[in-house]
Amino acid sequence: SSELTQDPAVSVALGQTVRITCQGDSLRSYYATWYQQKPGQAPVLVIYGKNNRPSGIPDRFSGSSSGNTASLTITGAQAEDEADYYCNSRDSSGKHLNVVFGGGTKLTVL
Amino acid sequence: EVQLVESGGGLVQPGRSLRLSCAASGFTFDDYAMNWVRQAPGKGLEWVSSISWNSGNIGYADSVRGRFTISRDNTKNSLYLQMNSLRADDTALYYCAKDTGSTWSEFDYWGQGSLVTVSS
Repeated sequence: SSELTQDPAVSVALGQTVRITCQGDSLRSYYATWYQQKPGQAPVLVIYGKNNRPSGIPDRFSGSSSGNTASLTITGAQAEDEADYYCNSRDSSGKHLNVVFGGGTKLTVL
Repeated sequence: EVQLVESGGGLVQPGRSLRLSCAASGFTFDDYAMNWVRQAPGKGLEWVSSISWNSGNIGYADSVRGRFTISRDNTKNSLYLQMNSLRADDTALYYCAKDTGSTWSEFDYWGQGSLVTVSS
């Protein structure tokens, strides 16, 4: 099965824009889905499909994709956005249909 | 309000079995695929298994295929994970997650998790 690669850590100044990326061959065929996880809490869906936000997710979160790279952009990062962010997608590269997660990116808001 | 409540975790010796359950409420359970995702202590998320609404399509991570079995009972709004031949590296918090439809990769609601510790 293929893998999804994320930068382990990213930082952003309060109010600035940050892009978190996710790379993998499966992203040429499938959209990435993005989750936010804060310490001690279950993950929360933030972006799915081409660029869809569940209700309750602020519009400062957006998603995009190009080739084998998907991106989660936070425009005007807030202190409460400090969290781990994970991408995932379906993967059909092997014999069986799989789902793959990236290793996660720890976002620090300075 | 969508609720997913996992149960059945605990301390188990290597080689033994455990069955996790996930009780779902607040949505039409048999309209959606369901999933298990785990997270080892201090580590990232790992997909474990998915099952379609009617149990017709099932998938497993390579790491658990042949040892774990996912199932669901739509009459009881419940999802299960039978875990056999448990190993130390199966130690993790196991989350039950609802699919947005039948995508197997868009998980819009998560439970709080059930901790499985495999140790002698």
